[in-house]
Amino acid sequence: GQQVKQSSPSLTVQEGGILILNCDYENDMFDYFAWYKKYPDNSPTLLISVRSNVDKREDGRFTVFLNKSGKHFSLHITASQPEDTAVYLCAAGASDNSKLIWGLGTSLVVNP
Amino acid sequence: NAGVIQTPRHKVTGKGQEATLWCEPISGHSAVFWYRQTIVQGLEFLTYFRNQAPIDDSGMPKERFSAQMPNQSHSTLKIQSTQPQDSAVYLCASSSGLGRSSYEQYFGPGTRLTVL
Repeated sequence: GQQVKQSSPSLTVQEGGILILNCDYENDMFDYFAWYKKYPDNSPTLLISVRSNVDKREDGRFTVFLNKSGKHFSLHITASQPEDTAVYLCAAGASDNSKLIWGLGTSLVVNP
Repeated sequence: NAGVIQTPRHKVTGKGQEATLWCEPISGHSAVFWYRQTIVQGLEFLTYFRNQAPIDDSGMPKERFSAQMPNQSHSTLKIQSTQPQDSAVYLCASSSGLGRSSYEQYFGPGTRLTVL
């Protein structure tokens, strides 16, 4: 089964709004959580990541929140812009293995 | 830093032919990952190497697919007797494998394989 699940395959918002992308995972051993961004016909690039020893990390308009007890992490984007339109992939990893387990992605559209 | 290099960018093969995809990781990175990307399955893990040694090939189809890393500067993914269902974008990524950055993967541009 899918170890890392993104509940929303797609999301459409208006420019300027706040949006939240969600990711659930199953493996208690995961200690690294990341969000990657992917434009059409491009490869994924790391957007923001967090280790399990913190429950929040902020980088500009992007914040990742980690809820370990709920096996859930989320990406919050404030002041959304049309340039944020992309596919967002969540991924998680366990310290005994550099391998990442990926969600299927959420396709985000920010309308001007 | 040129980033992860993948060649060719596009490859078209006939059914039953062999396809070899190449990846050059970022210099100094010790971990190399291969993925297959399709619209239906998303990003599928295939295999990965650390310090040139195969670590986990749990995502590799057992038949027809093989991967090697003969030296630290390149890895190959070979698909024998290609089938139309092998058509996908094959992505290679590398990571430093060290400390806090060990998970951060940097992707190449991918090779789009089309099997007719």
